Amino acid sequence: KAGVTQTPRYLIKTRGQQVTLSCSPISGHRSVSWYQQTPGQGLQFLFEYFSETQRNKGNFPGRFSGRQFSNSRSEMNVSTLELGDSALYLCASRLGTSNTGELFFGEGSRLTVL
Amino acid sequence: QQPVQSPQAVILREGEDAVINCSSSKALYSVHWYRQKHGEAPVFLMILLKGGEQKGHDKISASFNEKKQQSSLYLTASQLSYSGTYFCGTSSSGNTGKLIFGQGTTLQVKP
Repeated sequence: KAGVTQTPRYLIKTRGQQVTLSCSPISGHRSVSWYQQTPGQGLQFLFEYFSETQRNKGNFPGRFSGRQFSNSRSEMNVSTLELGDSALYLCASRLGTSNTGELFFGEGSRLTVL
Repeated sequence: QQPVQSPQAVILREGEDAVINCSSSKALYSVHWYRQKHGEAPVFLMILLKGGEQKGHDKISASFNEKKQQSSLYLTASQLSYSGTYFCGTSSSGNTGKLIFGQGTTLQVKP
């Protein structure tokens, strides 16, 4: 079966712009999580969605937002981009909501802010 | 609170063993281990639940000491394919999908 698909894979934006990233989970997976990966900070949790509801949120400013659709696809949005937002944004899906299930990661969307 | 992994980096020769540790200041419910190769997505290795169980996956195994809030990943007789960055992800509850990852341990296996 198809894995987690993230689009776009690469994008370049300038400070002050906004960006929307998309994630299509594995078919049947209803939980989608987003992580920001940077060389110095590792994987930082952004948020988790299940059945169109945000269940958890990490310590990121309000400029970072997300949503999930009825087909479990998810988007995240970053407004008023800053240089420090340059990172690899990873989406991961799992079957349920419990932490006893493995996460399946997509290959990420690499955002560069100039 | 982000778990702390040690060491930050390790270089091995093929066939050597390595241990990667993951420590948390919070009581843990579960610990996940993932490996990420350069330019690729993190890939799941194993999950350990509180109870001190040990799991194995080929020549890779892990333990979980819930009293010490620590987990260790053991790589025995390392192969070139083991190279990558290893992340532990921790959760304090079974009712949440939120995982907090350590900063990663980079492992390089040389021929």
